[in-house]
Amino acid sequence: EDQVTQSPEALRLQEGESSSLNCSYTVSGLRGLFWYRQDPGKGPEFLFTLYSAGEEKEKERLKATLTKKESFLHITAPKPEDSATYLCAVQDEAQKLVFGQGTRLTINP
Amino acid sequence: KAGVTQTPRYLIKTRGQQVTLSCSPISGHRSVSWYQQTPGQGLQFLFEYFSETQRNKGNFPGRFSGRQFSNSRSEMNVSTLELGDSALYLCASSWRTTQETQYFGPGTRLLVL
Repeated sequence: EDQVTQSPEALRLQEGESSSLNCSYTVSGLRGLFWYRQDPGKGPEFLFTLYSAGEEKEKERLKATLTKKESFLHITAPKPEDSATYLCAVQDEAQKLVFGQGTRLTINP
Repeated sequence: KAGVTQTPRYLIKTRGQQVTLSCSPISGHRSVSWYQQTPGQGLQFLFEYFSETQRNKGNFPGRFSGRQFSNSRSEMNVSTLELGDSALYLCASSWRTTQETQYFGPGTRLLVL
């Protein structure tokens, strides 16, 4: 059965303190790995799609990387507005998205 | 370009009632997927429609059903509501298939009393 595990569940950082979020997965035939950001009471907002091991994508202070078993979302010099829940999802051979439980990130000013 | 829209945004129902939620995808998108989000289970896939046909279904009971119209708009219906159906219901659209990036709407918050 496809499974996505995100760690840590929650992370509190000071503004400017860089860190990484982890997403480990087991999936039959990975079609893609997706990162989303979700603010309270809102729908997930698309960040990145990664398709193959070794791929990297960047957007502002965020950088996503992918290996055969996990993905990392690196946050460099975060600001308070980066506070949100970050969701990782994998797409399996049946083309369904399987989501992890998310990492709740808080950036203190 | 307008994003995915969902109506209503909030809904309160009582046990045993039924409810219909609506989703309008991004213009040009033909695939619509529905998800249930709860604090305990996270985001769980309900079903996906493409060209008015259900192509994928998650592990939810038959009380959960959906349909898609020729203009790609989709509706989701839940019959005989239970307390555990209280959740945020999210709709996501993509251009052709779920293999492409899915863009989410703001969700419908359903509370069952």
